[in-house]
Amino acid sequence: DAGVIQSPRHEVTEMGQEVTLRCKLISGHNSLFWYRQTMMRGLELLIYFNNNVPIDDSGMPEDRFSAKMPNASFSTLKIQPSEPRDSAVYFCASSFRGTGALNTEAFFGQGTRLTVV
Amino acid sequence: QQQVKQSPQSLIVQKGGISIINCAYENTAFDYFPWYQQFPGKGPALLIAIRPDVSEKKEGRFTISFNKSAKQFSLHIMDSQPGDSATYFCAASMIYGGSQGNLIFGKGTKLSVKP
Repeated sequence: DAGVIQSPRHEVTEMGQEVTLRCKLISGHNSLFWYRQTMMRGLELLIYFNNNVPIDDSGMPEDRFSAKMPNASFSTLKIQPSEPRDSAVYFCASSFRGTGALNTEAFFGQGTRLTVV
Repeated sequence: QQQVKQSPQSLIVQKGGISIINCAYENTAFDYFPWYQQFPGKGPALLIAIRPDVSEKKEGRFTISFNKSAKQFSLHIMDSQPGDSATYFCAASMIYGGSQGNLIFGKGTKLSVKP
């Protein structure tokens, strides 16, 4: 298995532009997490899906951020419009949540380094 | 209630020495405590994890010590090597999650092992 795949690896965009980050889950996994990593705030959970359904989006900073799972293996995180303070590394992670809601190890992608100028 | 506090922020250790990183949590419902290792340009990767029914878990040179009453846990790296130089994150979650199936991370410790 290729692991969690994120694209693009790097994104530089101008303030006000729309940015879409993509994530492919590990085959068979059914939980998806988007995290944002900055020096100041560390790793912050943005949103958590289970079986394509958003379970907890309390970490999404504001309405400019939206996330979707159009199918069981793929997710997007969109920022519209982007701002310089959105500059960070964005990670997605996947895991398998089984019977009785047992959560297994979360596997992280390589991340997308976003720079908004 | 949801915070995980990690210290120190950075750590420099000589090759062959012991690296110790500490974490404290507040939510007594947490029952899964993993440590993740992150190299520059990579995503965090699970290193070792512990459940609160044991006080210690060892895998090779890496040991987690867990103190349930103090709500603290620590990572010990024995015989530290330059290849161990990375950022280490502790985390906590509920293994039987509902809306809390996600990991709450500490702020990270940047470890440098000098040759």
